[in-house]
Amino acid sequence: SYELTQPPSVSVSPGQTARITCSGDALPKQYAYWYQQKPGQAPVLVIYKDSERPSGIPERFSGSSSGTTVTLTISGVQAEDEADYYCQSVDSSGTYWVFGGGTKLTVL
Amino acid sequence: QLQLQESGPGLVKPSETLSLTCTVSGGSISSSSYYWGWIRQPPGKGLEWIGTIYYSGSTYYNPSLKSRVTISVDTSKNQFSLKLSSVTAADTAVYYCARLGYSNNWWVGMDVWGQGTTVTVSS
Repeated sequence: SYELTQPPSVSVSPGQTARITCSGDALPKQYAYWYQQKPGQAPVLVIYKDSERPSGIPERFSGSSSGTTVTLTISGVQAEDEADYYCQSVDSSGTYWVFGGGTKLTVL
Repeated sequence: QLQLQESGPGLVKPSETLSLTCTVSGGSISSSSYYWGWIRQPPGKGLEWIGTIYYSGSTYYNPSLKSRVTISVDTSKNQFSLKLSSVTAADTAVYYCARLGYSNNWWVGMDVWGQGTTVTVSS
């Protein structure tokens, strides 16, 4: 079955840049999506189609893609950005969705 | 503004069938630009896609759950539903419904989510 791999945790100081990676064999052909989830809340879409930002999402959130790896970048991290982040994509057929295991972002 | 609301029993006995409904308000489930999905999250763990349905009834299921999952849609009630059979403690989770956008032959992500409902499998 198709898998997306994320680091379990990333830590940054306020104002620094956080980068969260996600790797998957189908990522060169399929877009990735990123979700932010805070404790006790539903996930929120923060990046779609690798690098597009939904309305209402701060400009400090950006996404990029290179080969089998996509990256979520949060510039000028704020305390409120502390959350779990999940990447998501579809398999090569474009039909079956999968989530990465999630990355806990800690703001020191 | 579109809202999704999950409903159903919070406690299900082992070997029985879990049944949940997602009610869509503030918009039509029959929009050609959207699919509708179920996602779950076991306590302390990550997100797992369960399946997706289009208003026409076309469905796509997680292969690991396919033998036990049925997702259906009722356009007259603006609802879609999840049934998961033969449940065990491993099916204990928060279950979310979500809207999945589709535009110009590409997915645009799950942009609206319900608040989630906790389902516990226990005798």
